[in-house]
Amino acid sequence: DAGVIQSPRHEVTEMGQEVTLRCKPISGHNSLFWYRQTMMRGLELLIYFNNNVPIDDSGMPEDRFSAKMPNASFSTLKIQPSEPRDSAVYFCASSDRRRVNTGELFFGEGSRLTVL
Amino acid sequence: LAKTTQPISMDSYEGQEVNITCSHNNIATNDYITWYQQFPSQGPRFIIQGYKTKVKNEVASLFIPADRKSSTLSLPRVSLSDTAVYYCLVAIGGYNKLIFGAGTRLAVHP
Repeated sequence: DAGVIQSPRHEVTEMGQEVTLRCKPISGHNSLFWYRQTMMRGLELLIYFNNNVPIDDSGMPEDRFSAKMPNASFSTLKIQPSEPRDSAVYFCASSDRRRVNTGELFFGEGSRLTVL
Repeated sequence: LAKTTQPISMDSYEGQEVNITCSHNNIATNDYITWYQQFPSQGPRFIIQGYKTKVKNEVASLFIPADRKSSTLSLPRVSLSDTAVYYCLVAIGGYNKLIFGAGTRLAVHP
């Protein structure tokens, strides 16, 4: 059974470039979360969706960040323009209606972003 | 949101039992207690969750006292492969926002 699939696994880009991170949640899951992890700030919740609708984006750092979920099997996190301080590992997680209420999320392997 | 407090780091040796305690004084009636494990270069992995008393699975046990203001994750007979960061979280009932704290960095030595 496939888990949460993220791409790319690694991305190196230059400051000012647009970055798009992709996530395919586990089939049947209706909640999707984007987290960012750095040494300094730990794991930060950026945004989460329920049934493809953004519910809370208060963690999105600034307008350069945007996230979409056009359908139940795909989500993107876009950074435009990227800056060196955006360098981090970005995780996507998904869950179903029952498990999400008790805090059980399934995480992908993450996308490591380096902005030069 | 209920804030959690847990030790920054712990050290243990192979074969020992490790207990990591987390405090969550502001936990509400509908909240669940959840623990995750994270290895380097991997995403967090759900270990165990509970509401009260004791929960056990093939990986760990979770002890929750009657007042639910704390919980203890117990790892029996740890091995080197249990070296990881362990996060305690409170899942707000009906509100799908999971906030991770700093976690406890467990180092298991030979």
